[in-house]
Amino acid sequence: DQQVKQNSPSLSVQEGRISILNCDYTNSMFDYFLWYKKYPAEGPTFLISISSIKDKNEDGRFTVFLNKSAKHLSLHIVPSQPGDSAVYFCAASARSGNQFYFGTGTSLTVIP
Amino acid sequence: NAGVTQTPKFQVLKTGQSMTLQCAQDMNHNSMYWYRQDPGMGLRLIYYSASEGTTDKGEVPNGYNVSRLNKREFSLRLESAAPSQTSVYFCASRTPIGTLGDTQYFGPGTRLTVL
Repeated sequence: DQQVKQNSPSLSVQEGRISILNCDYTNSMFDYFLWYKKYPAEGPTFLISISSIKDKNEDGRFTVFLNKSAKHLSLHIVPSQPGDSAVYFCAASARSGNQFYFGTGTSLTVIP
Repeated sequence: NAGVTQTPKFQVLKTGQSMTLQCAQDMNHNSMYWYRQDPGMGLRLIYYSASEGTTDKGEVPNGYNVSRLNKREFSLRLESAAPSQTSVYFCASRTPIGTLGDTQYFGPGTRLTVL
């Protein structure tokens, strides 16, 4: 059973606007969350993370929000740029555990 | 600093053939992982190794074996390839678990086709 879910397979946004990518999880033991970005024919690369002791973490144009009660996190990209077009994976883990659990990914297209 | 390297980049096999996917990391990480990525399925964990000398099954281990040859290298073996193993395979290594900035670093992937 998928413990991390990304229900939107794709998203299109105009350049300069905000992109919001969503992720839900089911396991209440998860306390660490990450977003990865993947370009075609490359491996995923780490983008941003958040611990469950926080509800927001910001890094430049990227902000991750965590709503623990709803078991939901989101990635905001502002402003969106054409180079942000990629597949974004959400991942979660229990900090004491060895595994990351990945969502199925959302393909973001930023239209110039 | 190469990070995580994988060989080969591409491979075509016939059903029943065997092959080994190689992975090496130069970041002195203890933990290493093998994933497969299929359309609409995300990244699914095949096997992982928390430290040199140990390996554990992930979500989809059937049809695969692994070897943690040393701290740097973690190989994935398909003993008798099946068309269902057609996929893109990623190796990853992980920074010390629970530390600030804990994350996985991924290799570029191996695209495997089984006919």
